[in-house]
Amino acid sequence: GENVEQHPSTLSVQEGDSAVIKCTYSDSASNYFPWYKQELGKRPQLIIDIRSNVGEKKDQRIAVTLNKTAKHFSLHITETQPEDSAVYFCGLVQGAQKLVFGQGTRLTINP
Amino acid sequence: KAGVTQTPRYLIKTRGQQVTLSCSPISGHRSVSWYQQTPGQGLQFLFEYFSETQRNKGNFPGRFSGRQFSNSRSEMNVSTLELGDSALYLCASSLAREQAEAFFGQGTRLTVV
Repeated sequence: GENVEQHPSTLSVQEGDSAVIKCTYSDSASNYFPWYKQELGKRPQLIIDIRSNVGEKKDQRIAVTLNKTAKHFSLHITETQPEDSAVYFCGLVQGAQKLVFGQGTRLTINP
Repeated sequence: KAGVTQTPRYLIKTRGQQVTLSCSPISGHRSVSWYQQTPGQGLQFLFEYFSETQRNKGNFPGRFSGRQFSNSRSEMNVSTLELGDSALYLCASSLAREQAEAFFGQGTRLTVV
């Protein structure tokens, strides 16, 4: 992705375990960081986002952390379930609503 | 309310031809962005339109162009198609404010043969 590096590209975890996906960026002016989930054959959908004045945000089993000094943000999924299997994209907004994404992480939950 | 609608859903074109894809945003959304999705490259930003003006542009050649109409509907055009243009093209619409959620359409699957 443009100025957004996402790792890992693939991730396989056992059901019930946690998954962590990390993104780093270079544009210090970025102030909005959304995460999108894309299930097979479907459109990407927003699952959680964080703004630069917040360090962490949680929504049930998912959470996002942001470290503006180090320029990285991460998605954490706890107690993973089969329906969490999908491709996850981190994003950030540059300037006026230029939303760019990382390369994506294919998450597989093994039963 | 209706979501983002893209037409057509599938297209097959031959090298050298041109193609036009259409995107109808959610009612009230004035910002429309276009992305190219390929297996190895993720979601690549093409351009973003707001109030009939291209406000942002990605790193794609001039063969890729777009426009937006007064009703916020947008089209993108690819001229002189190449095999490498085969991809899923997604558009996303959002409200005209900072940090607004982007809503994606189902995409148009373009195959160049």
